[in-house]
Amino acid sequence: DADVTQTPRNRITKTGKRIMLECSQTKGHDRMYWYRQDPGLGLRLIYYSFDVKDINKGEISDGYSVSRQAQAKFSLSLESAIPNQTALYFCATSDPTDYQYFGPGTRLLVL
Amino acid sequence: GIQVEQSPPDLILQEGANSTLRCNFSDSVNNLQWFHQNPWGQLINLFYIPSGTKQNGRLSATTVATERYSLLYISSSQTTDSGVYFCAATNAGGTSYGKLTFGQGTILTVHP
Repeated sequence: DADVTQTPRNRITKTGKRIMLECSQTKGHDRMYWYRQDPGLGLRLIYYSFDVKDINKGEISDGYSVSRQAQAKFSLSLESAIPNQTALYFCATSDPTDYQYFGPGTRLLVL
Repeated sequence: GIQVEQSPPDLILQEGANSTLRCNFSDSVNNLQWFHQNPWGQLINLFYIPSGTKQNGRLSATTVATERYSLLYISSSQTTDSGVYFCAATNAGGTSYGKLTFGQGTILTVHP
């Protein structure tokens, strides 16, 4: 089984809809992250969590919210999706050495 | 926060050729990772290399932390090596601790 799983893998939604992207990890790590990748660019950090009670904004958090339901689960929500949130979204978890393990990504298209 | 710059932005090779990709970073690092993003968008971990040299088959990487750069070597390139190569680093301290900053990537195309 994969260390980091993301659901759904692909999603098409309409402007104004609320959607949730889910992430689970089996590594037993405390730290989890959500990144966004736009075409032709590197990944940018949206939110990160260093433990269940710790949530922090990243570089591009506007329009997003997160929930850390358990050590293994970290969800990203778009409260009211807009077309410029069309992107590839990655979840990751890191060990104490900061080695990051990435999920397979979720392709989101907002019409 | 830390700045990460990669070069070259694009690289076109004939199968069998060797190549070197470079990553410069602006501050001391706690973590430096190289990734390959395949045409399906998946990020494949290549190396965790905050310092020193590692090798994995036809790939090797060297990070010279004191001079703030890392190199990824690809030998005897194959068409399956095509894709985007990313370097990413976390700052050794301060408010950037634990957060990976990605470079813009190098797009590698290997022709048969």
